[in-house]
Amino acid sequence: SYVLTQPPSVSVAPGKTARITCGGDNIGGKSVHWYQQKPGQAPVQVLYSTTDRPSGIPERFSGSNSGNTAALTISGVEAGDEADYYCQVWDSLTYHWFFGGGTKLTVL
Amino acid sequence: QVQLVESGGGVVQTGGSLRLSCAASGFTFGITPMHWVRQPPGKGLEWLAFLSHDGSIDNYADSVKGRFTISRDNSWNALYLQMTRLGADDTAIYYCARHREDGSFDYWGQGTLVTFSS
Repeated sequence: SYVLTQPPSVSVAPGKTARITCGGDNIGGKSVHWYQQKPGQAPVQVLYSTTDRPSGIPERFSGSNSGNTAALTISGVEAGDEADYYCQVWDSLTYHWFFGGGTKLTVL
Repeated sequence: QVQLVESGGGVVQTGGSLRLSCAASGFTFGITPMHWVRQPPGKGLEWLAFLSHDGSIDNYADSVKGRFTISRDNSWNALYLQMTRLGADDTAIYYCARHREDGSFDYWGQGTLVTFSS
């Protein structure tokens, strides 16, 4: 089993930058993906392959990954960014997919 | 436009069985691997099962291996999850999700809810 650790919550003022981390053993060697989930809705992919944005996702969303920590950074945070965010990886050893526990982003 | 529509959820009793379905449209289903993912109420996402495009390769999370079976019918653009020996811990919204080559899930259905009655 591959464990991904996220902070339960992150708070940020509008217009500021939010950084949501995802910790895992040598996660820097893996491709990390991120999903946004608003209440009552299905998850939506916001980043894939660590740094790539699907069509329609603003440039304000960016990613990084090194060592034991990956991160989703949201710059110029807006009220509409308030949601739960999940990181995810595929483990080539077990051929299993893993999610982090999720981070609730609150826009103050 | 990619669409995934789950159905088949409902209320079950402990030890019961249920079959979930996922109707796919807007893409070439027959060449696309698929997944099932679930989310207990108020909790995080849990990957459950993977199935290759032709149904020849499957893989399961340890929590459901031996109880759940993923399958597909490419002639009907449908994905299934047969669930057996269900327990209260299986209460969740169940999502089908489309596989990307990089190991991510690029499209998700709206989910179907499985709950328990004692």
